[in-house]
Amino acid sequence: EDQVTQSPEALRLQEGESSSLNCSYTVSGLRGLFWYRQDPGKGPEFLFTLYSAGEEKEKERLKATLTKKESFLHITAPKPEDSATYLCAVQAEAGANSKLTFGKGITLSVRP
Amino acid sequence: NAGVMQNPRHLVRRRGQEARLRCSPMKGHSHVYWYRQLPEEGLKFMVYLQKENIIDESGMPKERFSAEFPKEGPSILRIQQVVRGDSAAYFCASSLRGAGRGANVLTFGAGSRLTVL
Repeated sequence: EDQVTQSPEALRLQEGESSSLNCSYTVSGLRGLFWYRQDPGKGPEFLFTLYSAGEEKEKERLKATLTKKESFLHITAPKPEDSATYLCAVQAEAGANSKLTFGKGITLSVRP
Repeated sequence: NAGVMQNPRHLVRRRGQEARLRCSPMKGHSHVYWYRQLPEEGLKFMVYLQKENIIDESGMPKERFSAEFPKEGPSILRIQQVVRGDSAAYFCASSLRGAGRGANVLTFGAGSRLTVL
């Protein structure tokens, strides 16, 4: 069974204080690892897809990296508007569909 | 492009009533997924549908829950005889492809929040 574990559950940062969010996963053949952002009362918003170990992707203050067992979402000099829940999910090669298995998410709060 | 549209956004039902949640996928998408998000829990997969077919319902409770995606119109998630434990946010997502090589991005709607009194 595919599993995703995210840590820590919650993270409070001061504006400008860089940090990393962790996502550990087990999957029967990785088709893709996804990061989404979810704001309160809204649906998940797609950020990144990573396909293979060693891959990195960047968007503004966010950089996602991937190894064979983990992914990290690095946040550089965060701003209050980066406050949200960050979700990690895996998509397996096996099977007839593209369903995602999600972790519980990491709630990030950035204080001004 | 209006994205994935879900309605109603909020629904209140009394125990024993029926709840119907609707989802219109993104234009050009023919693959629909339903997820449930309980307080303090992650998003849990419920069912995957293509037009007129249920492909994977491995995450659906065996009783009271059903889903459809007719040839015309939105996908519908139906919950019969609701109980308080059904209170949750229900999210629909759509994708351009289902199976096949390469990762396939799911685009999510804003969700429908069901409250059972």
